[in-house]
Amino acid sequence: DSGVTQTPKHLITATGQRVTLRCSPRSGDLSVYWYQQSLDQGLQFLIHYYNGEERAKGNILERFSAQQFPDLHSELNLSSLELGDSALYFCASSPRGGAGGRRTEAFFGQGTRLTVV
Amino acid sequence: AQSVTQPDIHITVSEGASLELRCNYSYGATPYLFWYVQSPGQGLQLLLKYFSGDTLVQGIKGFEAEFKRSQSSFNLRKPSVHWSDAAEYFCAVGAPTGGFKTIFGAGTRLFVKA
Repeated sequence: DSGVTQTPKHLITATGQRVTLRCSPRSGDLSVYWYQQSLDQGLQFLIHYYNGEERAKGNILERFSAQQFPDLHSELNLSSLELGDSALYFCASSPRGGAGGRRTEAFFGQGTRLTVV
Repeated sequence: AQSVTQPDIHITVSEGASLELRCNYSYGATPYLFWYVQSPGQGLQLLLKYFSGDTLVQGIKGFEAEFKRSQSSFNLRKPSVHWSDAAEYFCAVGAPTGGFKTIFGAGTRLFVKA
């Protein structure tokens, strides 16, 4: 158990809908990262938040947004869902996440499997 | 831009045999390098990491990796594979650019035969 909690574990929804994925980082971790894993794209970095602020952005679609709250949990919002958004969405956390430092390895949650039908 | 290449999509080894998984990276500065393992239906677990210092790093479960700057490689090794090592292995490079973005390779699936 990595200490990172993601809910829900599974989600099935229809095209055009909006969903929210939730992530609780390990106790004390300030950084939260979101990744999308699909068969054709592999593991894609979406976004990084550090202590409530967006710090780095990857291949995140405009239909997707994220935020990190004062209690450090994070939510990933996916809207106008398409069939191609079906994937495993991972959240990871780390103690830091700025430039350099030892403690920048990420600890991953079990993921949320999203199926769009 | 950073990138990671894992040339082998899948590898099959016999139980007890040695293992080497290849990883090549592209990054302009000294990279932060990681190996993660993912079992079916599970999240990713960190096996080992390299930030600086000794280029041979030891990880969990008997794995080690060697950073070779001249070859831009960070290959993962294990002297004797166990059936429980069957999983998917991801090499990753991280860059502390304002935030910290980690880029993963496509993964290598390891099959272990009895």
